[in-house]
Amino acid sequence: QKEVEQNSGPLSVPEGAIASLNCTYSDRGSQSFFWYRQYSGKSPELIMSIYSNGDKEDGRFTAQLNKASQYVSLLIRDSQPSDSATYLCAVNKGSARQLTFGSGTQLTVLP
Amino acid sequence: GAVVSQHPSRVICKSGTSVKIECRSLDFQATTMFWYRQFPKQSLMLMATSNEGSKATYEQGVEKDKFLINHASLTLSTLTVTSAHPEDSSFYICSAREGILYGYTFGSGTRLTVV
Repeated sequence: QKEVEQNSGPLSVPEGAIASLNCTYSDRGSQSFFWYRQYSGKSPELIMSIYSNGDKEDGRFTAQLNKASQYVSLLIRDSQPSDSATYLCAVNKGSARQLTFGSGTQLTVLP
Repeated sequence: GAVVSQHPSRVICKSGTSVKIECRSLDFQATTMFWYRQFPKQSLMLMATSNEGSKATYEQGVEKDKFLINHASLTLSTLTVTSAHPEDSSFYICSAREGILYGYTFGSGTRLTVV
């Protein structure tokens, strides 16, 4: 079992729709959870961080964390073609300082 | 927000030569920096954790004698790819964190091509 799993996609949604990205993790000691967006040929940029159970909203983005189910998701409302990218889920395990990344989900928003 | 600067952004070198990549935290001090490698259509793989003033910690399977890491100050870490070969061609990215309440910021990455 991979430490951090994501659906590889690709995921396609029409412009204006909600895109839903999912991630599961194996280590119950994980404490910090991050969503990064990576455009082709570029380095990842942080979209959201979440540390406690529940929802966290920032503009069109909502991160959801359920530690009991070891599940974290990202919702993108009113999806735009500029949101087309690979979305990486990353987890910081307990005392570990480094991040562990999922394989990423490629999202395409169709005009 | 925190800014991490990485140079060069792109480098082409001949097989057998060495290449140095710099990673700087511009507006914060980073006792720890991380070096990742990313092959096309794959996710980021942690290569090593760079610790200011001490030896780097390498992930399993990463040759420490080939990928030399130096973290001589609180704002600068360098990765030197020694005796580069075509299979070392990849996208190398560094990362640092301003503090435990902040996310990890990535440098812009270095595209290394060994010919």
